[in-house]
Amino acid sequence: AQSVTQLDSHVSVSEGTPVLLRCNYSSSYSPSLFWYVQHPNKGLQLLLKYTSAATLVKGINGFEAEFKKSETSFHLTKPSAHMSDAAEYFCVVSPNTGGFKTIFGAGTRLFVKA
Amino acid sequence: DVKVTQSSRYLVKRTGEKVFLECVQDMDHENMFWYRQDPGLGLRLIYFSYDVKMKEKGDIPEGYSVSREKKERFSLILESASTNQTSMYLCASRGQGMVGNYGYTFGSGTRLTVV
Repeated sequence: AQSVTQLDSHVSVSEGTPVLLRCNYSSSYSPSLFWYVQHPNKGLQLLLKYTSAATLVKGINGFEAEFKKSETSFHLTKPSAHMSDAAEYFCVVSPNTGGFKTIFGAGTRLFVKA
Repeated sequence: DVKVTQSSRYLVKRTGEKVFLECVQDMDHENMFWYRQDPGLGLRLIYFSYDVKMKEKGDIPEGYSVSREKKERFSLILESASTNQTSMYLCASRGQGMVGNYGYTFGSGTRLTVV
């Protein structure tokens, strides 16, 4: 069975400060992990994905995430927040062996203060 | 640029109407999905299709049906719209093969209001 938990429903940072959005997962097999971003009234856009290659994954817009198997975590980070980063972020887990059971986290809304 | 296009951004329908939500992708993807997104409930899978004319129920199929007559088009049908189907509807597509090699590509969403 798989599950994904986004530990914070809301995160607020000041512009120019680091961003940390936390995600823990559980999976009975080797998972693929994704982060998506959703701006208001828009669809979800893929930020980055982990597929059992390098554990540190770089994505678009300066975001990156590190897969830590021992901690079952896949936290999303960015060194310096920009106003345009204000959005909702979803952590997603899928089985790496095929199949269609994709689990979406509940989402973390990121607020960026000027 | 690859795209998933949903035909309407905003839609208002009356209770009891039959509603069609259309989704078209230009990536030659085999797999297509319909989700609904509600505050506090996240994304929930309604139906998906892994090939033309093939469909599978997701987690909340009640009150919905789907149609996939062509590879690029996946339609969601609300047979008799009800107010509890007011929601944001998201279409997505994904290529074949190991799931890990493909992320989803989402459309911009259709915000449906049933009055």
